[in-house]
Amino acid sequence: EVQLVQSGAEVKKPGESLKISCKGSGYSFPNYWIAWVRQMPGEGLEWMGIIFPADSDTRYSPSFQGQVTISVDKSISTAYLQWSTLKASDTAMYFCARSSTSDFWGQGTLVTVSS
Amino acid sequence: DIQMTQSPSSLSASVGDRVTITCRASQGITNYLAWFQQKPGKAPKSLIYAASSLQSGVPSKFSGSGSGTDFTLTISSLQPEDFATYYCQQYNSHPYTFGQGTKLEIK
Repeated sequence: EVQLVQSGAEVKKPGESLKISCKGSGYSFPNYWIAWVRQMPGEGLEWMGIIFPADSDTRYSPSFQGQVTISVDKSISTAYLQWSTLKASDTAMYFCARSSTSDFWGQGTLVTVSS
Repeated sequence: DIQMTQSPSSLSASVGDRVTITCRASQGITNYLAWFQQKPGKAPKSLIYAASSLQSGVPSKFSGSGSGTDFTLTISSLQPEDFATYYCQQYNSHPYTFGQGTKLEIK
């Protein structure tokens, strides 16, 4: 069974750093793209970027380029999304999804940034 | 970036109805179009990929069509569990982009 399991909810202060994770199982992790998607409170889905675990080829949406870093450790079948300096506007639910068609999704990680 | 525009933004319908949601791309995307269903507090669920191919386990009441710039999602015989928000997404070229969503509500 294909599963993507994300790390738990986070509460952070502005200016802090954060790295959240997405662990894949039940399939050949290196061979499927992993995308990250943001959903701000009460809003729609925003595609942030995507990584191919086999060679770490990474593409970003211009809206998120320079704001976040997407990485992967294929040895433990885990993709990451990280921020070096969080802002209140980063408060959102973040989802990971498998492949260019986003056929399977993680359960989401709620990130709250508040002073 | 390719802009995806869904219509309507919201839709009221009754149990048993058949509804259609449209999605228009700002430029041609051949058939690289997916549809998702999202219920409150849940992750999106993939329904359709390649414009008209049903994901495994998705009931045949969901159907998709279109190519190029214009696409539709049709849901037949609405049931209470179908009331949710639906999104289209193009995956023809990076950055992949979503439509703004269509909220399907019970009349």
